[in-house]
Amino acid sequence: GQNIDQPTEMTATEGAIVQINCTYQTSGFNGLFWYQQHAGEAPTFLSYNVLDGLEEKGRFSSFLSRSKGYSYLLLKELQMKDSASYLCAPLDSNYQLIWGAGTKLIIKP
Amino acid sequence: IAGITQAPTSQILAAGRRMTLRCTQDMRHNAMYWYRQDLGLGLRLIHYSNTAGTTGKGEVPDGYSVSRANTDDFPLTLASAVPSQTSVYFCASSERETAYNEQFFGPGTRLTVL
Repeated sequence: GQNIDQPTEMTATEGAIVQINCTYQTSGFNGLFWYQQHAGEAPTFLSYNVLDGLEEKGRFSSFLSRSKGYSYLLLKELQMKDSASYLCAPLDSNYQLIWGAGTKLIIKP
Repeated sequence: IAGITQAPTSQILAAGRRMTLRCTQDMRHNAMYWYRQDLGLGLRLIHYSNTAGTTGKGEVPDGYSVSRANTDDFPLTLASAVPSQTSVYFCASSERETAYNEQFFGPGTRLTVL
Protein backbone atom coordinates (compact mmCIF):
# COMPACT_ATOMS: atom_id res chain seq x y z
CA GLY A 1 0.00 0.00 0.00
CA GLN A 2 0.91 3.65 -0.10
CA ASN A 3 2.05 5.28 3.10
CA ILE A 4 3.46 8.61 4.22
CA ASP A 5 5.01 9.07 7.64
CA GLN A 6 5.90 12.45 9.16
CA PRO A 7 5.89 13.69 12.76
CA THR A 8 2.57 15.00 14.00
CA GLU A 9 3.94 18.07 15.74
CA MET A 10 7.26 19.85 16.29
CA THR A 11 8.25 22.90 18.34
CA ALA A 12 11.13 25.23 17.58
CA THR A 13 12.41 28.64 18.65
CA GLU A 14 12.32 31.80 16.58
CA GLY A 15 15.62 32.26 14.74
CA ALA A 16 16.56 28.58 14.98
CA ILE A 17 16.68 25.80 12.37
CA VAL A 18 14.24 22.90 12.14
CA GLN A 19 14.19 19.76 9.99
CA ILE A 20 10.91 18.03 9.20
CA ASN A 21 11.33 14.45 8.04
CA CYS A 22 9.10 12.43 5.75
CA THR A 23 9.33 8.78 4.77
CA TYR A 24 7.15 7.38 2.04
CA GLN A 25 6.11 4.22 0.24
CA THR A 26 4.27 4.68 -3.03
CA SER A 27 3.34 2.77 -6.16
CA GLY A 28 5.87 4.31 -8.46
CA PHE A 29 7.44 7.69 -7.93
CA ASN A 30 7.44 10.89 -9.95
CA GLY A 31 8.83 13.36 -7.48
CA LEU A 32 7.88 14.75 -4.09
CA PHE A 33 6.22 18.01 -3.12
CA TRP A 34 6.23 19.99 0.12
CA TYR A 35 3.34 22.32 0.85
CA GLN A 36 2.75 24.78 3.67
CA GLN A 37 -0.70 25.18 5.19
CA HIS A 38 -1.56 27.86 7.72
CA ALA A 39 -4.49 27.11 10.01
CA GLY A 40 -7.79 27.65 8.24
CA GLU A 41 -6.16 28.26 4.89
CA ALA A 42 -5.39 26.34 1.72
CA PRO A 43 -2.07 24.55 1.14
CA THR A 44 0.53 26.50 -0.83
CA PHE A 45 3.47 25.09 -2.79
CA LEU A 46 6.95 25.18 -1.22
CA SER A 47 9.18 22.80 -3.17
CA TYR A 48 9.46 19.90 -5.59
CA ASN A 49 12.24 17.30 -5.75
CA VAL A 50 12.53 14.60 -8.38
CA LEU A 51 16.28 13.87 -8.23
CA ASP A 52 18.34 12.96 -5.18
CA GLY A 53 19.93 15.82 -3.33
CA LEU A 54 19.25 19.18 -1.79
CA GLU A 55 17.22 21.96 -3.39
CA GLU A 56 17.65 25.36 -1.73
CA LYS A 57 15.16 28.18 -2.01
CA GLY A 58 15.85 31.06 0.35
CA ARG A 59 15.30 30.06 3.98
CA PHE A 60 13.74 26.75 2.91
CA SER A 61 15.57 23.70 1.55
CA SER A 62 14.27 20.27 0.63
CA PHE A 63 16.19 17.03 0.38
CA LEU A 64 15.33 13.77 -1.35
CA SER A 65 16.75 10.24 -1.24
CA ARG A 66 14.79 8.03 -3.59
CA SER A 67 16.58 4.83 -2.58
CA LYS A 68 15.63 5.39 1.06
CA GLY A 69 12.13 6.72 0.41
CA TYR A 70 13.04 9.73 2.47
CA SER A 71 12.76 13.49 2.26
CA TYR A 72 13.18 16.38 4.63
CA LEU A 73 12.29 20.05 4.68
CA LEU A 74 14.81 22.34 6.35
CA LEU A 75 13.67 25.73 7.59
CA LYS A 76 16.34 28.24 8.64
CA GLU A 77 16.10 31.52 10.57
CA LEU A 78 12.64 30.61 11.78
CA GLN A 79 10.07 33.37 11.95
CA MET A 80 6.76 33.40 13.80
CA LYS A 81 4.94 33.36 10.45
CA ASP A 82 6.46 29.91 9.78
CA SER A 83 4.04 28.46 12.33
CA ALA A 84 1.97 26.21 10.07
CA SER A 85 1.50 22.63 8.99
CA TYR A 86 3.95 21.20 6.48
CA LEU A 87 2.62 18.56 4.13
CA CYS A 88 4.78 15.96 2.41
CA ALA A 89 3.26 14.61 -0.83
CA PRO A 90 4.97 12.19 -3.21
CA LEU A 91 3.61 11.81 -6.73
CA ASP A 92 2.82 8.18 -7.62
CA SER A 93 2.98 6.35 -10.93
CA ASN A 94 -0.46 7.72 -11.91
CA TYR A 95 0.67 11.28 -11.20
CA GLN A 96 -1.60 11.43 -8.17
CA LEU A 97 -0.33 13.19 -5.05
CA ILE A 98 -0.32 10.99 -1.95
CA TRP A 99 -0.63 13.31 1.04
CA GLY A 100 0.80 12.87 4.50
CA ALA A 101 -1.24 14.09 7.48
CA GLY A 102 1.21 16.94 7.90
CA THR A 103 3.55 18.18 10.60
CA LYS A 104 2.29 21.03 12.73
CA LEU A 105 5.21 23.34 13.45
CA ILE A 106 4.91 25.60 16.49
CA ILE A 107 7.37 28.50 16.72
CA LYS A 108 8.05 29.98 20.15
CA PRO A 109 9.61 33.40 20.76
CA ILE B 1 -11.14 36.33 -10.63
CA ALA B 2 -7.56 35.43 -9.90
CA GLY B 3 -6.68 31.78 -9.34
CA ILE B 4 -9.30 29.43 -7.97
CA THR B 5 -12.54 30.36 -6.28
CA GLN B 6 -14.87 28.11 -4.34
CA ALA B 7 -18.43 28.62 -3.17
CA PRO B 8 -19.89 28.57 -0.65
CA THR B 9 -17.23 29.38 1.96
CA SER B 10 -19.15 27.35 4.51
CA GLN B 11 -22.43 25.50 4.71
CA ILE B 12 -24.52 23.64 7.25
CA LEU B 13 -26.62 20.98 5.61
CA ALA B 14 -29.28 18.58 6.81
CA ALA B 15 -28.58 14.91 6.19
CA GLY B 16 -30.25 13.62 3.05
CA ARG B 17 -30.08 16.96 1.23
CA ARG B 18 -28.38 17.41 -2.12
CA MET B 19 -25.52 19.92 -2.30
CA THR B 20 -23.22 21.19 -5.03
CA LEU B 21 -19.88 22.77 -4.20
CA ARG B 22 -18.67 25.10 -6.91
CA CYS B 23 -15.11 25.54 -8.14
CA THR B 24 -13.88 27.89 -10.87
CA GLN B 25 -10.35 28.60 -12.08
CA ASP B 26 -9.14 31.24 -14.49
CA MET B 27 -5.64 29.90 -15.15
CA ARG B 28 -6.71 27.68 -18.09
CA HIS B 29 -5.33 24.66 -16.26
CA ASN B 30 -6.12 21.30 -17.77
CA ALA B 31 -6.26 19.25 -14.57
CA MET B 32 -8.59 19.83 -11.62
CA TYR B 33 -9.06 17.99 -8.35
CA TRP B 34 -11.39 17.73 -5.38
CA TYR B 35 -9.99 16.83 -1.96
CA ARG B 36 -11.42 16.52 1.49
CA GLN B 37 -9.37 17.28 4.58
CA ASP B 38 -10.27 15.85 7.97
CA LEU B 39 -8.48 16.47 11.26
CA GLY B 40 -5.50 14.17 11.67
CA LEU B 41 -5.70 12.86 8.13
CA GLY B 42 -3.96 13.90 4.96
CA LEU B 43 -5.79 15.39 2.04
CA ARG B 44 -7.77 12.64 0.31
CA LEU B 45 -8.59 12.79 -3.37
CA ILE B 46 -12.30 12.46 -4.16
CA HIS B 47 -12.41 12.95 -7.93
CA TYR B 48 -10.19 14.45 -10.56
CA SER B 49 -10.31 15.60 -14.16
CA ASN B 50 -7.25 15.61 -16.40
CA THR B 51 -8.97 17.65 -19.09
CA ALA B 52 -12.38 19.06 -19.93
CA GLY B 53 -14.86 16.29 -20.71
CA THR B 54 -13.10 13.61 -18.63
CA THR B 55 -13.27 12.69 -14.96
CA GLY B 56 -11.82 9.98 -12.75
CA LYS B 57 -12.31 8.52 -9.29
CA GLY B 58 -9.87 9.20 -6.51
CA GLU B 59 -9.33 7.51 -3.18
CA VAL B 60 -12.74 8.31 -1.64
CA PRO B 61 -15.31 8.82 -4.43
CA ASP B 62 -18.39 7.18 -2.86
CA GLY B 63 -21.28 9.58 -2.29
CA TYR B 64 -19.80 12.23 -4.60
CA SER B 65 -20.06 13.02 -8.29
CA VAL B 66 -18.36 15.57 -10.55
CA SER B 67 -18.65 16.95 -14.04
CA ARG B 68 -16.24 18.89 -16.27
CA ALA B 69 -18.21 20.54 -19.01
CA ASN B 70 -15.54 23.16 -19.68
CA THR B 71 -11.98 24.04 -18.66
CA ASP B 72 -12.85 26.51 -15.93
CA ASP B 73 -15.53 24.79 -13.82
CA PHE B 74 -15.45 21.60 -11.78
CA PRO B 75 -18.49 21.26 -9.48
CA LEU B 76 -18.71 18.56 -6.81
CA THR B 77 -22.15 17.17 -5.93
CA LEU B 78 -23.23 15.30 -2.84
CA ALA B 79 -26.41 13.53 -3.93
CA SER B 80 -27.66 12.75 -0.43
CA ALA B 81 -25.43 14.16 2.29
CA VAL B 82 -24.46 12.09 5.35
CA PRO B 83 -22.76 13.25 8.58
CA SER B 84 -19.50 11.48 7.62
CA GLN B 85 -19.19 13.96 4.76
CA THR B 86 -18.62 16.74 7.26
CA SER B 87 -15.20 18.04 6.23
CA VAL B 88 -13.27 20.85 4.60
CA TYR B 89 -13.33 20.50 0.83
CA PHE B 90 -10.56 21.90 -1.34
CA CYS B 91 -10.59 22.27 -5.08
CA ALA B 92 -7.22 22.42 -6.84
CA SER B 93 -5.88 22.73 -10.36
CA SER B 94 -2.62 22.15 -12.18
CA GLU B 95 -1.46 22.88 -15.69
CA ARG B 96 -1.20 19.19 -16.48
CA GLU B 97 -1.46 15.94 -14.56
CA THR B 98 2.22 15.15 -15.09
CA ALA B 99 5.37 15.52 -13.05
CA TYR B 100 6.38 18.88 -11.70
CA ASN B 101 3.06 20.50 -12.01
CA GLU B 102 2.27 22.11 -8.71
CA GLN B 103 -1.32 22.18 -7.67
CA PHE B 104 -2.96 25.48 -6.82
CA PHE B 105 -5.67 25.34 -4.21
CA GLY B 106 -8.89 27.23 -3.70
CA PRO B 107 -9.72 28.66 -0.26
CA GLY B 108 -11.89 25.68 0.69
CA THR B 109 -15.49 25.02 1.66
CA ARG B 110 -16.25 24.03 5.25
CA LEU B 111 -19.24 21.68 5.15
CA THR B 112 -21.16 20.44 8.18
CA VAL B 113 -23.79 17.75 7.71
CA LEU B 114 -26.20 17.33 10.61
